[in-house]
Amino acid sequence: SQQGEEDPQALSIQEGENATMNCSYKTSINNLQWYRQNSGRGLVHLILIRSNEREKHSGRLRVTLDTSKKSSSLLITASRAADTASYFCATEIIQGAQKLVFGQGTRLTINP
Amino acid sequence: GAGVSQSPSNKVTEKGKDVELRCDPISGHTALYWYRQRLGQGLEFLIYFQGNSAPDKSGLPSDRFSAERTGESVSTLTIQRTQQEDSAVYLCASSRGIGGTQYFGPGTRLTVL
Repeated sequence: SQQGEEDPQALSIQEGENATMNCSYKTSINNLQWYRQNSGRGLVHLILIRSNEREKHSGRLRVTLDTSKKSSSLLITASRAADTASYFCATEIIQGAQKLVFGQGTRLTINP
Repeated sequence: GAGVSQSPSNKVTEKGKDVELRCDPISGHTALYWYRQRLGQGLEFLIYFQGNSAPDKSGLPSDRFSAERTGESVSTLTIQRTQQEDSAVYLCASSRGIGGTQYFGPGTRLTVL
């Protein structure tokens, strides 16, 4: 199964509401990153949280990391229609050469 | 340049043909990564370069796939004898060093007929 698994696979909410997406992983990590993808093309880096951090904020984004549960959450507050996209978590794993392992993503739809 | 660029943006080819995809990383970025993304799926790691060496080729799906990098510059991903299952978006990313934030290009959408 996947190193990173997002939950839910799809989320649809009204504009102005908060959106929460979760990510679980299996192996030890250096850091965990969240990316956003519009229209199935290039990804945009949103936020990086290191393994020794528990929470991080960036604008309307809040990320938490629980290494004991091997899970992370991404909260988008006061959602906007422009937040509609797919969101991926990516774990930078320790074993062997460092690389990012991506989950399958959460498709977020913000309804106006 | 300002960001990672990839070419072509779209490629349609016939089954059995070879294709070459190109990635120009951000200037000064020593690490370069290739990923494949099938429709509606997450990113599948293919290979990464540190400089022009490839310490991790574990993600290449078969021996039909190969990649090269010239110095700390452009990289090409070559798929020989393409199959319909190779149809996907191929994404390239670069980073200053190994680990940390990766900056992605817009991808090449490959369609094998």
